[in-house]
This record gives sequence, structure tokens and C-alpha cells, in this order.
Amino acid sequence: DGGITQSPKYLFRKEGQNVTLSCEQNLNHDAMYWYRQDPGQGLRLIYYSQIVNDFQKGDIAEGYSVSREKKESFPLTVTSAQKNPTAFYLCASSVRESSYNEQFFGPGTRLTVL
Amino acid sequence: SQQGEEDPQALSIQEGENATMNCSYKTSINNLQWYRQNSGRGLVHLILIRSNEREKHSGRLRVTLDTSKKSSSLLITASRAADTASYFCAPGTGNQFYFGTGTSLTVIP
Repeated sequence: DGGITQSPKYLFRKEGQNVTLSCEQNLNHDAMYWYRQDPGQGLRLIYYSQIVNDFQKGDIAEGYSVSREKKESFPLTVTSAQKNPTAFYLCASSVRESSYNEQFFGPGTRLTVL
Repeated sequence: SQQGEEDPQALSIQEGENATMNCSYKTSINNLQWYRQNSGRGLVHLILIRSNEREKHSGRLRVTLDTSKKSSSLLITASRAADTASYFCAPGTGNQFYFGTGTSLTVIP
């Protein structure tokens, strides 16, 4: 069953803690993306990766970090430097980075800072 | 960034009616995609229209693109309660596309 998975579905964090959100895909896609969505808002790009061991900052990368050690995995760490981390986080992948390629989305992780 | 802006922000219609959502953008694009998001879920790709196309159909969906006006529309015909969702346009340039803020569609049974 091919697809893209994210875990956990819900995550609670205390202020000052780092947390890591998991994103895995078995679609053999080269490109992967992390977005943040706030209530009633569109998606804002945090980081993206075109290939293993390479990633680029998106529009709102401050306070976040990523790694791409394997093609299938693109974890996102929300650091304590992120001032307002409570949001819905979506991971996506596409065959390659191109505006012509559709992106496939995971089900999302809802992060709440207590 | 080349973000689309959807209009209206919210739309409520009766089942069986048609729903039209509009998207405007600011600069030249290669293509434009439409996505759907059910509440609390990931986005699902609906359709892509290239800059040299004016209209495209997929089932009950009809998308138009007017590059001279920098706008696109998504028409859902014979709406169903299951069409209730948020709809996002994503104008694409080069390797990137950027999602708009979305139109929230409610279809009343």
C-alpha cells in the first residue's frame, strides 16, 4: 500500500523542548516537503528536499531543522527557537521538484505547545 | 512568493447546485494546480492546468485559466455533501508552486 505517512497524529510539547515529526514515503519520490498550516490559512513552506543529503529553506524555516539521510524519510525538528510552533504540519512528496508534478500529502501532525 | 488568492473565502450551497471558486495570482506562471483538503487531513490533488490551456475537465470538475487576467476558476457541478472541504489553488513557476489561503466550501444536504 503506497503512500506517505506522518507520525504522531497529535503531539504536545512543553515550551523550551525540541520535538521531531516523522515523515516517511514509499512512493520512490525524490522530492519531499514540509508545510505549516495555521487555522483558516493556507500552507506555508518550511523546508524542501530535492534529493538525499540535500535540502533547502522555504519561506518560514527559522526555528526548524530537517535532515534527509534516506530517500524515504524527511523528519522535521521543531526547535525551542520557534516562537509560535502550535500548528498543523503537513509533509508531502513528489516525483521530483517541479511545478508540473503533483504533490502527495501525508495526513498531518497537529502540534500543540503547552 | 507567487501565492494564489482564492475568492470567496467561504461558500455555502445546497446539494445539487454548482460551486464556483476563483483564484488570482500576480506573476507569470507555467501551470496551476487545484487541491482539496478535508478538515484536519492532508491535501489531495484535483487537477493541473498548463499555461497554454484555457479549460480542463475531470469528472464533475471544470477548471479554466485566463493568463491575461491572471486568474483561474474551479467549477464543481451537481455538488454533493461529500464535496464539503477547503479548496486551494497553487500557481506554479519553475520548480515551485505556492498554495493560496483556500475557499471553504460547505454543501448542505
